[in-house]
Amino acid sequence: EIVLTQSPGTLSLSPGERATLSCRASQSVSSSYLAWYQQKPGQAPRLLIYGASSRATGIPDRFSGSGSGTDFTLTISRLEPEDFAVYYCQQYGSSPNTWTFGQGTKVEIK
Amino acid sequence: QVQLVQSGAEVKKPGSSVKVSCKASGGTFSSYAISWVRQAPGQGLEWMGGIIPIFGTANYAQKFQGRVTITADESTSTAYMELSSLRSEDTAVYYCARGGYSGYDLVGYFDLWGRGTLVTVSS
Repeated sequence: EIVLTQSPGTLSLSPGERATLSCRASQSVSSSYLAWYQQKPGQAPRLLIYGASSRATGIPDRFSGSGSGTDFTLTISRLEPEDFAVYYCQQYGSSPNTWTFGQGTKVEIK
Repeated sequence: QVQLVQSGAEVKKPGSSVKVSCKASGGTFSSYAISWVRQAPGQGLEWMGGIIPIFGTANYAQKFQGRVTITADESTSTAYMELSSLRSEDTAVYYCARGGYSGYDLVGYFDLWGRGTLVTVSS
């Protein structure tokens, strides 16, 4: 089973700053089957990025994903007040019928 | 616009079972797979299993094998997740989420989520 490790656990930033979140896999994630989700308190997760770098429908272009193999990054170019949330990476496709999530990175207001 | 509408919160005794529903409204049900993901209080996300409604085939995470049953009723566009032998550690929000499939396998990311159902297990 692939284990995803996200860092840092918490990121304290101000609105307007750039956020860089990391997701490292214990083994290579095939075909960049890596997704990112945003979750706000009391809400369901929302898909942001799939295929490591493709934005989901309706996601602002300040969100971008990159990486391949075992190292992936979610970047928020300029934080808006609504971006303060917890972000999870997820791998899918390493083998059918299995999914794993990272433990999450909380982006909080400094 | 498709929405996944989940059933309401439940309070259960240890050792009992719970069955949570997830109804797809406003769109097709059979073109997708439905997975169930849970989140314990203050914790991360954990995939439990999923189903391809048009085939009725379900797959489960090893951790939940034998304790979870996922079914679907195409006629009502509703998926169900039943968890048995409940213990306090099963207290969590249970989400259904829409994904894809390839052949008889569940694949892909989750692009649509229900709002979640809180299940509390307490004596």
